[in-house]
Amino acid sequence: KAGVTQTPRYLIKTRGQQVTLSCSPISGHRSVSWYQQTPGQGLQFLFEYFSETQRNKGNFPGRFSGRQFSNSRSEMNVSTLELGDSALYLCASSLGVGLNSPLHFGNGTRLTVT
Amino acid sequence: GNSVTQMEGPVTLSEEAFLTINCTYTATGYPSLFWYVQYPGEGLQLLLKATKADDKGSNKGFEATYRKETTSFHLEKGSVQVSDSAVYFCALSPYGANSKLTFGKGITLSVRP
Repeated sequence: KAGVTQTPRYLIKTRGQQVTLSCSPISGHRSVSWYQQTPGQGLQFLFEYFSETQRNKGNFPGRFSGRQFSNSRSEMNVSTLELGDSALYLCASSLGVGLNSPLHFGNGTRLTVT
Repeated sequence: GNSVTQMEGPVTLSEEAFLTINCTYTATGYPSLFWYVQYPGEGLQLLLKATKADDKGSNKGFEATYRKETTSFHLEKGSVQVSDSAVYFCALSPYGANSKLTFGKGITLSVRP
């Protein structure tokens, strides 16, 4: 069974640009969450989607947005990139949203903003 | 707000040594507690969880007990192996949820033969 797939693996962008990251969950999983990982702040929750609806959102500015499609694939978008947005962005999927549905993480997309 | 504090690392142990990785938390209500592990070249994966006070989570020889009185969830293993070398993250989520995780900073464990 294929794991969570994130594309691209690496990305280099310039300040002010925007970027879209993609996540394909494990087949059958309907919930997708996004996390940002930086050396300074560690892992921080961005948002969670279930059946195309955003269920939870972390404390990030409105420049960070996401969506989920009917096939459960998800994208996140960051507009007007800042240097501080450089990070590893992790996507996680799960069957559902309860405690018996563990999160399965992808290997992440490493974004570098110059 | 919620927060998770892990002991500073990295930690280096010899094979068959006893392992303890400390984790304390601050949270409102009754969070669920988790340990996630990231092996070299792989994504984060759930190691164990506990959902209420005095619950003990266990997996692959690792154990952690949810201590509400000390707000702790320390990870232990009686005899580590080289294959346990990885980064370990303590995390919590709001009551009844498996998402919106608050993570600790993570600690790198290296086990030498």
